[in-house]
Amino acid sequence: DAKTTQPPSMDCAEGRAANLPCNHSTISGNEYVYWYRQIHSQGPQYIIHGLKNNETNEMASLIITEDRKSSTLILPHATLRDTAVYYCIVVTNTDKLIFGTGTRLQVFP
Amino acid sequence: KAGVTQTPRYLIKTRGQQVTLSCSPISGHRSVSWYQQTPGQGLQFLFEYFSETQRNKGNFPGRFSGRQFSNSRSEMNVSTLELGDSALYLCASSLGGIFSYEQYFGPGTRLTVT
Repeated sequence: DAKTTQPPSMDCAEGRAANLPCNHSTISGNEYVYWYRQIHSQGPQYIIHGLKNNETNEMASLIITEDRKSSTLILPHATLRDTAVYYCIVVTNTDKLIFGTGTRLQVFP
Repeated sequence: KAGVTQTPRYLIKTRGQQVTLSCSPISGHRSVSWYQQTPGQGLQFLFEYFSETQRNKGNFPGRFSGRQFSNSRSEMNVSTLELGDSALYLCASSLGGIFSYEQYFGPGTRLTVT
């Protein structure tokens, strides 16, 4: 099963871009990368997902390297409400969801 | 549209007892997944139900079981509770189908086993 690795914590100034990396070096060709975040005491919230191409939605952008072994979630203008734990998830061939360790993003004023 | 609801929100049980948690998905969603979250192990996948059938299962002992009803509502049961079962249990619903992991999570049920 593919496994993801994320830094345990990151800081970001409010208004700046937050770039959250994820390593998934054992990912297979048809496995998707999903990102979720969990704000304290709430259930996780879907952010974005991708396979090969870069993706963008109203919340974030997802950049996947050409070899697909890593990706970066970009919050273009971080706000205090973006403070949360961000999970990078790889959907395996057997459709099991394996959560990464998560990155605790702290946005400061 | 109403979100995913879970009942009860908080529960205290004693070792050896059993517990049943309930999850009502978003209307029209056919897939319900269950997760366990603890400080030590993080978020772990328990199982997924789609159209009343268990489609995927995580690496949990047989004491953890679930089911889904024809209206897509799901229940999770844990028998012979252990102290280590104390956790936040989250359920998530999605439309279903292959790779439809845009899931919507409920607020969770916090289970404390004493």
